[in-house]
Amino acid sequence: QVTLKESGPGILQPSQTLSLTCSFSGFSLSTSGICVSWIRQPSGKGLEWLATICWEDSKGYNPSLKNRLTISKDTSNNQAFLKITSVDTADTAIYYCARIQDTSGYYVMDAWGQGASVTVSS
Amino acid sequence: DIVMTQSPTSMSISVGDRVTMNCKASQNVGSNVDWYQQKTGQSPKLLIYKASNRYTGVPDRFTGSGSGTDFTFTISNMQAEDLAVYYCMQSNSYPRTFGGGTKLELK
Repeated sequence: QVTLKESGPGILQPSQTLSLTCSFSGFSLSTSGICVSWIRQPSGKGLEWLATICWEDSKGYNPSLKNRLTISKDTSNNQAFLKITSVDTADTAIYYCARIQDTSGYYVMDAWGQGASVTVSS
Repeated sequence: DIVMTQSPTSMSISVGDRVTMNCKASQNVGSNVDWYQQKTGQSPKLLIYKASNRYTGVPDRFTGSGSGTDFTFTISNMQAEDLAVYYCMQSNSYPRTFGGGTKLELK
């Protein structure tokens, strides 16, 4: 059974760095064809893809966040991480991590965590 | 970035209805579109991948079609449990981009 769970600080102040952890089970980030993505969703709004890291350590970032993002992984402990620097109120959202797997040559985001709520407020 | 435009933004439907919604890409994405269902308070759930492939365990009342820039998602026999927001997402290129969603509400 594949499960993912996000964790984070809950609340932080503007200009701080947001650190998120995705702890997962049922798959390994060292397996060929496996990636983990981060996606966020402000309350009542749509979904925004943030970043992806794959088994061979390739990474992709959403250029709209202008180099504020860093994604990393700890394969031994089945975790993936996302850091967002210089947060402001616009970063208030639910943050999801999701597994991506290769399905006959096509990469699908097929399992999602429950989401971690992050509020940026002074 | 590829812009995904969904229509309509909301629909009032009845149980048993056939429901059709659309997603238009700002450029050719081939068949590289996925559809997700998000119920209130839950995370998104993959229903359709690569435009028309039903994911494991997804009921056959959910279907997807299209290629290039125009995609369609259909629920053939709407059930009360299908009330949700549905999102399309292009997986043709990075950054991945989602449509704004279509919300299904009871009439």
